[in-house]
Amino acid sequence: TQLLEQSPQFLSIQEGENLTVYCNSSSVFSSLQWYRQEPGEGPVLLVTVVTGGEVKKLKRLTFQFGDARKDSSLHITAAQPGDTGLYLCAGDWTGANNLFFGTGTRLTVIP
Amino acid sequence: DTAVSQTPKYLVTQMGNDKSIKCEQNLGHDTMYWYKQDSKKFLKIMFSYNNKELIINETVPNRFSPKSPDKAHLNLHINSLELGDSAVYFCASSHNTVNYGYTFGSGTRLTVV
Repeated sequence: TQLLEQSPQFLSIQEGENLTVYCNSSSVFSSLQWYRQEPGEGPVLLVTVVTGGEVKKLKRLTFQFGDARKDSSLHITAAQPGDTGLYLCAGDWTGANNLFFGTGTRLTVIP
Repeated sequence: DTAVSQTPKYLVTQMGNDKSIKCEQNLGHDTMYWYKQDSKKFLKIMFSYNNKELIINETVPNRFSPKSPDKAHLNLHINSLELGDSAVYFCASSHNTVNYGYTFGSGTRLTVV
């Protein structure tokens, strides 16, 4: 079983602060995705990155794929209470038929 | 219209019972999946179906059996339920290429008492 470690596991910050969440693996990804899950709902896709070194921005969220395609980060600028949720990275490897999910980061943004 | 819909949302049942969870997608996706999310929120693949063929069957007990009557439906049947089966089960779908991303249903919270 492929293992994707996310850090931190829990993060509680004040509204307006910046934060970074990390996703690491010992394996090389073909592609990596980030999802956000809210209570009582399924994960919702935020972004997919496929090229080593790739950076994608989604409003206040910046996603970066490591040069070696073994790690990724999610940076949120000026966090808002609406950013509260469980953030999950998910990767697939060459020949894999499904996504393997990370251990998750639970973010709480306090107003 | 909900893209991936699961029923029921909640399911409480006694040990030893048999139950089914239904899933339907209206996205025209080729592949459907079942994931189990444990109490620590870890999502683990159980099954996937592509064009009505099982292409992954992870090491789940054979009490769990996926059934796909057509490309838009993937149901999960569970026999002889055990306490350890309590979890949230998610259905998802995707195009054939994984890096297009998954669309998830809202989950079924199964509680075995």
